Amino acid sequence: ETGVTQTPRHLVMGMTNKKSLKCEQHLGHNAMYWYKQSAKKPLELMFVYSLEERVENNSVPSRFSPECPNSSHLFLHLHTLQPEDSALYLCASSQARGGSETQYFGPGTRLLVL
Amino acid sequence: GQNIDQPTEMTATEGAIVQINCTYQTSGFNGLFWYQQHAGEAPTFLSYNVLDGLEEKGRFSSFLSRSKGYSYLLLKELQMKDSASYLCAVRDSNYQLIWGAGTKLIIKP
Repeated sequence: ETGVTQTPRHLVMGMTNKKSLKCEQHLGHNAMYWYKQSAKKPLELMFVYSLEERVENNSVPSRFSPECPNSSHLFLHLHTLQPEDSALYLCASSQARGGSETQYFGPGTRLLVL
Repeated sequence: GQNIDQPTEMTATEGAIVQINCTYQTSGFNGLFWYQQHAGEAPTFLSYNVLDGLEEKGRFSSFLSRSKGYSYLLLKELQMKDSASYLCAVRDSNYQLIWGAGTKLIIKP
């Protein structure tokens, strides 16, 4: 596998379910990101990890819980979500946080909350 | 507040040229990015400008004027596969990326 991969690609869940999104990067990067993308809206940065340490949490509801066990893997744990959380969730990675390095994105998980 | 403005949608003809504009108001400036995103796919990196002027990369060029808070992406010899959304993003003084909502480009034969 090359680049940034995400699983699952599609997810339908009820408001009482617990699920996890997985991201893996094969680029040797040391920063990883979770974004939320809703239709016709700018990408919303949710979480940033640099060297496996969370460096940013943009007032995301606690029903979203990130986990970064190492520099290649990133998870987003979901529980008791709301229908308005339905969106495309994108993972990205970059070589350095604070430099001019480009972010590379995974294909995203399309989430539908019923 | 910080803001990135770009047109919501544009239409162009195959073989023609199109210019997608992006204006920004941010807390500081540390570079501007353009990404392409096909429907249902990941955004992919197109270009990066940090100094004023034009950067050319094949059929795509990107221009930056920091004094005007303005950039454009120029696509030449349009092909049907260029139908996609084009995202403008600015890195602010805290090195955080501020994103525009994207411009959906429709190419007609």
